[in-house]
Amino acid sequence: GQSLEQPSEVTAVEGAIVQINCTYQTSGFYGLSWYQQHDGGAPTFLSYNALDGLEETGRFSSFLSRSDSYGYLLLQELQMKDSASYFCAVLSGGSYIPTFGRGTSLIVHP
Amino acid sequence: DADVTQTPRNRITKTGKRIMLECSQTKGHDRMYWYRQDPGLGLRLIYYSFDVKDINKGEISDGYSVSRQAQAKFSLSLESAIPNQTALYFCATSDSGTGATGELFFGEGSRLTVL
Repeated sequence: GQSLEQPSEVTAVEGAIVQINCTYQTSGFYGLSWYQQHDGGAPTFLSYNALDGLEETGRFSSFLSRSDSYGYLLLQELQMKDSASYFCAVLSGGSYIPTFGRGTSLIVHP
Repeated sequence: DADVTQTPRNRITKTGKRIMLECSQTKGHDRMYWYRQDPGLGLRLIYYSFDVKDINKGEISDGYSVSRQAQAKFSLSLESAIPNQTALYFCATSDSGTGATGELFFGEGSRLTVL
């Protein structure tokens, strides 16, 4: 089976940097995705890592270490609007269908 | 207009009733999915379809059925709703290109309450 672990909640101050970790166990791993969801709204895709290393997209970066079965989402220059839930999701097996973690609630304080 | 549209957005029903949640998309994607979200449990896959003639069970298909009426339409049915099916339901789409990166496009969700 597959399992993903991520913290349930992270808090940070506006303007700071925060890292949301995700560890996974799966067979036939292809890659790791990240999604953002505001207040029960539609989840939106943020990033995808198939290879080791850091991918940067504006204020958000995502990292993957395949050997450690570990990844993280890095959010810089935090803004209040970044308060949301963040989900990691693994692609594995033959179907390329994401299996989601339980999500991390990020709370950004002024 | 939204690319992935779910109806109804909110529904309250009683135990034993039959419920259908509908999803339509204008993205031209061939792949469609139904996920269920419960607080603290993330998104769990109920059913998925890679084309009109392809229907597959996901992680939690018991108590649910689906119909892919056309490439753009994918409906989820609860034949006899029970209270533990109270949840937020999401439809999502992808194509073979975006799907290869795990990028799904989600609807706004259908909140179902079973009393």
